[in-house]
Amino acid sequence: KAGVTQTPRYLIKTRGQQVTLSCSPISGHRSVSWYQQTPGQGLQFLFEYFSETQRNKGNFPGRFSGRQFSNSRSEMNVSTLELGDSALYLCASSQGSSYNSPLHFGNGTRLTVT
Amino acid sequence: TQLLEQSPQFLSIQEGENLTVYCNSSSVFSSLQWYRQEPGEGPVLLVTVVTGGEVKKLKRLTFQFGDARKDSSLHITAAQTGDTGLYLCAGVPSNSGYALNFGKGTSLLVTP
Repeated sequence: KAGVTQTPRYLIKTRGQQVTLSCSPISGHRSVSWYQQTPGQGLQFLFEYFSETQRNKGNFPGRFSGRQFSNSRSEMNVSTLELGDSALYLCASSQGSSYNSPLHFGNGTRLTVT
Repeated sequence: TQLLEQSPQFLSIQEGENLTVYCNSSSVFSSLQWYRQEPGEGPVLLVTVVTGGEVKKLKRLTFQFGDARKDSSLHITAAQTGDTGLYLCAGVPSNSGYALNFGKGTSLLVTP
């Protein structure tokens, strides 16, 4: 079974630009969550989608948005990039049937904002 | 505000030593999960503990969930260099939905 795939692996953007990151979950998994990981703050929850609906949202500004397609693939978008958005963005999928469902993470997209 | 506090933040030990890392909170959690993350990769689930007082063993790793479901510990016996990585605890607070909250992690380095 293929794991969670995130593309691209690395991105370099300039402040003020926007970026779209992609995540393909494990086949059959209906929940996709996004996390931002930085050395200072650790993993911080961005949002979670289940069957194309945003089910949970973390405390991030509106510049961070996401969506999920009917095939469970998900994208997240960050507009008007700031230097502080430089981070590892991790996507995780789960069957989503309960909060005990284990998360399966991709290897992340490393975003650098200059 | 960090819901889950992990300690120590960094740990450097030699092969063969034992160690314990802690995950504490003032909140009650429905369950707690432990992950290990290696450089350049995403976290990988090690174990989920659900019942207060539960102890789970995974080879040389022993996980314990506190009786009040507010804390957990991970004990590694006879550490090996392959245990090197970032250990993360994560949980879903009892009063929330499905958002998994992570601690900042314990970075473990095991040297030969």
